[in-house]
Order: sequence, then C-alpha cells, then structure tokens
Amino acid sequence: EVQLVQSGAEVKKPGATVRISCKVSGYTFTDYFLHWVQQAPGKEPEWMGLVDPEDGETIYSEKFQDRLTITADTSIDTAYMDMSSLRSEDTAVYYCATLRNWGQGTLVTISS
Amino acid sequence: QPAVTQPPSASASLGASITLTCTLSSGYSNYKVDWYQQRPGKGPRFVMRVGTGGIVETKGDGIPDRFSVLGSGLNRYLTIKNIQEEDESDYYCGVDHGTGSNFVYVFGAGTKVTVL
Repeated sequence: EVQLVQSGAEVKKPGATVRISCKVSGYTFTDYFLHWVQQAPGKEPEWMGLVDPEDGETIYSEKFQDRLTITADTSIDTAYMDMSSLRSEDTAVYYCATLRNWGQGTLVTISS
Repeated sequence: QPAVTQPPSASASLGASITLTCTLSSGYSNYKVDWYQQRPGKGPRFVMRVGTGGIVETKGDGIPDRFSVLGSGLNRYLTIKNIQEEDESDYYCGVDHGTGSNFVYVFGAGTKVTVL
C-alpha cells in the first residue's frame, strides 16, 4: 500500500521558516516526482513545486520560488518542504503528493 | 500556460447521475486533465486522468465503477452514476504543462457537489 505520511501541525510567527517532512512507503521513492501543494482555508489547491527524488532536481512555481526549498533524502525515502519568510496568508494545509497518492496534509498556522 | 474552468456548484438527487465539466483554455484541446475528489475535512484524492480519448491509465485506488470520464474538444467530463451521500465533495480538475524548468501544474477552482 502506498503511503505518504507527513509531519505534524506547526504554528509559526511571521518571518519564520517552516519545514514539513513527507515519508513515503509502498513504492520506489525515486520512481515518481514528489509534489507539494498548498491549500488555504476554503480555497482550491495550489501547486507549489516538485522534486525528482532520482536526481534531486526541483521545479518551483513562480509564486513560491523565492521562499521555497524542496529536497529529497533517498536514504530514508523522505521529502522535505522548507518555506521561509512566512506571512499570515501562508496559513494553509500543505500536502505532499505524487498526484496519484497524497499525504494526509499538514496544517501550518502563521500567527504573531 | 493552460487554465481550467469549473462551475462552482452542482447538485443531484440521491441515486441520480451527475456530470461535472472542466474546460481547458483555448489552444489546449489535446491536454489531459486529472480529476480529484475532496471530501469535507479531508485531503484531495485522485480519481482519474482524462484526455480526448477517455480515461488515461487507471482509476485511483478505491474509486467506484460509478465514476467515469469523457473528453471532447476543450471539455473534460466526470460523470457519477447512482450518486451516493459519500460522493458529496468538492471536485477539482488539474492540468500539467511544460517540461523541465517550465513545468507547471494548475488546479481549477473546483465544483462543490451536493447530494439532495
């Protein structure tokens, strides 16, 4: 069974950095791109970027590219999403996904 | 890059059929679209991918046979037959575009489906 298990909810202050992890199992980690998706409250999902775990290459949405870093550690089948300079509008649920399979989501709340 | 448009809401009576539409922007009629279901309080769930030739590859895990897709011109359709209460969800379509550093993935605004 394919599983993507994300780290737990986070509360951050404006300007801080958040790291979310995504541990995959049930498939070969390097076979599929790993995407990150933001979903603000009441809004549609928004694609942030992806990593190719095979070689670590990344592609970022223009909206997030200045603040976003996505990495993959093939030794532990885990991907990471780091977002810096957090602001109130970054309050959202963040998902990792192969797009066919999705993590459970991680709620990030930005509050002073 | 392509855009996808979805009507904001749709409804059907229990046991009836409903067809949702995802419309690609002009010039992208050969693009495939992914359909996702998002139940209240849950994450998105892949339903299936559709092109003008119909379903691409296989349905997502656990998607009932009641769900089917068609594609025609700029439109990509998701039909739910014998709709059940558990089908009440937001349905999003998504489309990918480009390769390498130009890759982008775009979601539609979603259709909220109500089962009456």
